[in-house]
Amino acid sequence: GNSVTQMEGPVTLSEEAFLTINCTYTATGYPSLFWYVQYPGEGLQLLLKATKADDKGSNKGFEATYRKETTSFHLEKGSVQVSDSAVYFCALSVLNQAGTALIFGKGTTLSVSS
Amino acid sequence: KAGVTQTPRYLIKTRGQQVTLSCSPISGHRSVSWYQQTPGQGLQFLFEYFSETQRNKGNFPGRFSGRQFSNSRSEMNVSTLELGDSALYLCASSQTSVPDNEQFFGPGTRLTVL
Repeated sequence: GNSVTQMEGPVTLSEEAFLTINCTYTATGYPSLFWYVQYPGEGLQLLLKATKADDKGSNKGFEATYRKETTSFHLEKGSVQVSDSAVYFCALSVLNQAGTALIFGKGTTLSVSS
Repeated sequence: KAGVTQTPRYLIKTRGQQVTLSCSPISGHRSVSWYQQTPGQGLQFLFEYFSETQRNKGNFPGRFSGRQFSNSRSEMNVSTLELGDSALYLCASSQTSVPDNEQFFGPGTRLTVL
């Protein structure tokens, strides 16, 4: 079946620190991969995506590269800010005979202090 | 462009009752998906509707059902509520039903079952 595993949180960092949130997946077929973010009191929103192997998604200083050989899509940011404090979800989507569905990891809470 | 709207935002029900939640997608979006978010299980896919047809269904009991209208608005219904149905129910819309489409999420309906 399809599944996503991401590192347990919470992750606590100081401002300007380097961030990595690990994400690995299992999928039949060729999934599209996503990172969604949920800021406190707000809904889920797409942070970045990659639709094929070796693609790099990037947005707001965050990056993730679709690695088919390691079935990974790790999220990185070189210098985090307090405003990056949120819950981050790794997700995949595969088209099967029935349709599409987003399969999410459990989420990683990031807390950045000044 | 208005975002995805969900009504009501909060609901309190008792065990055995039924509930109907509503979702209005972004104008022009034809695919609507529903997700359940709980602290224990995280975000889980319920079902997807596209052009008034259920295209995909997650691993939930038959008490969970939904439908989509010709204007793409969607409703989900949960019958014979159980305590474990307490959750945040999220609706997401996308233009079409393909894996690399971004899904836009609504703010959710917080259901509490007493």
